[in-house]
Amino acid sequence: AQKVTQAQTEISVVEKEDVTLDCVYETRDTTYYLFWYKQPPSGELVFLIRRNSFDEQNEISGRYSWNFQKSTSSFNFTITASQVVDSAVYFCALRGRASGSARQLTFGSGTQLTVLP
Amino acid sequence: DTEVTQTPKHLVMGMTNKKSLKCEQHMGHRAMYWYKQKAKKPPELMFVYSYEKLSINESVPSRFSPECPNSSLLNLHLHALQPEDSALYLCASSQDLGGARETQYFGPGTRLLVL
Repeated sequence: AQKVTQAQTEISVVEKEDVTLDCVYETRDTTYYLFWYKQPPSGELVFLIRRNSFDEQNEISGRYSWNFQKSTSSFNFTITASQVVDSAVYFCALRGRASGSARQLTFGSGTQLTVLP
Repeated sequence: DTEVTQTPKHLVMGMTNKKSLKCEQHMGHRAMYWYKQKAKKPPELMFVYSYEKLSINESVPSRFSPECPNSSLLNLHLHALQPEDSALYLCASSQDLGGARETQYFGPGTRLLVL
């Protein structure tokens, strides 16, 4: 069975602070895919990144960076110099390659990030 | 262009009404999905279509009826819904099923209220 844990239910930071959103996953698949999505109050889930299990390189995109560590089954997301527009719910998700339900996206429970001006 | 559109944005319906939600994508994707999302919860998968054929039905009640008229369109027909069906309904599409091509892109959703 697959599982994604986002232990931080809510985080509040002041603008310009750095913030890290944690994601821990469980899967029996040797090949799998990890995702981060952003959901602002408008409701749309915005795709941010996909990481393949065989690619452990960390990635940086502007103020966003992702730290993938297979040894600890974690895929953490850091926002540098946060802005009010970063306020949203962030979901980490996992998809395996096995058949059946493991092929579907398993979402974490989400982290509500509030950036205060 | 990673745009998935959904109409309507908001829908209020009575329990005896029949309504439809519509989803459209023009990215040439061959897999399309319906999700249901309750407040403060992650999305829950309802249906998956691959090449216009129903691939997965996650034991969704028959009052929800999906339809995929062509590779760009996905409908969700609603009939005799219950108040607990009130939720945000999200549509998504991906290039294909399998591997990296299965990255799902979501639409803005339809907020449904059943009275």
